[in-house]
Amino acid sequence: DAKTTQPPSMDCAEGRAANLPCNHSTISGNEYVYWYRQIHSQGPQYIIHGLKNNETNEMASLIITEDRKSSTLILPHATLRDTAVYYCIVRVVHSGGSNYKLTFGKGTLLTVNP
Amino acid sequence: NAGVMQNPRHLVRRRGQEARLRCSPMKGHSHVYWYRQLPEEGLKFMVYLQKENIIDESGMPKERFSAEFPKEGPSILRIQQVVRGDSAAYFCASSPPGQGNFFMNTEAFFGQGTRLTVV
Repeated sequence: DAKTTQPPSMDCAEGRAANLPCNHSTISGNEYVYWYRQIHSQGPQYIIHGLKNNETNEMASLIITEDRKSSTLILPHATLRDTAVYYCIVRVVHSGGSNYKLTFGKGTLLTVNP
Repeated sequence: NAGVMQNPRHLVRRRGQEARLRCSPMKGHSHVYWYRQLPEEGLKFMVYLQKENIIDESGMPKERFSAEFPKEGPSILRIQQVVRGDSAAYFCASSPPGQGNFFMNTEAFFGQGTRLTVV
């Protein structure tokens, strides 16, 4: 799986959009971009994933650059409960294979301030 | 992710003792995955089990660690003769049978973890 680089920490004001960047300059054509988060003392939670196109769900939006070397996770209206460590992972997804072999790096600690 | 139940939430063991961590998967799920998160480090895969079978234990330390998922009851991660370096958060996830694309999409549910402290 390709390496990712994320800032160690970010702050955001409550109610504002939180934009979390991730660099993955060595990404290959069959690798997806996944985002998870981990709220303190809880298990990881899936947020969103994408391959080439921008994606949106009820939690967040994922913007992937045209060259796919970087992406941004957007939480449109951050709340205090969004304070967590956010992990960007780049991985090949196998139709019948070892997709469960997740390895997280250190992620970005997002602190949402009142 | 409240459906995956892990207990205990916190476990303190002295060096040399055994630690048993339990994971009850979500209802209807027959696949269980264990992960370890060392202090100040990211999550790493340890082992994948189906009922009564170990499917992939490539992430398990070679000694002192074992896992099982019996026909009845929770999955157990067992650490014998614990050392300080075993202090970590251990997370379990589960999936339904037959989902070859599990972890491709949204169905990655994790428990709240067991925090093991070895003193």
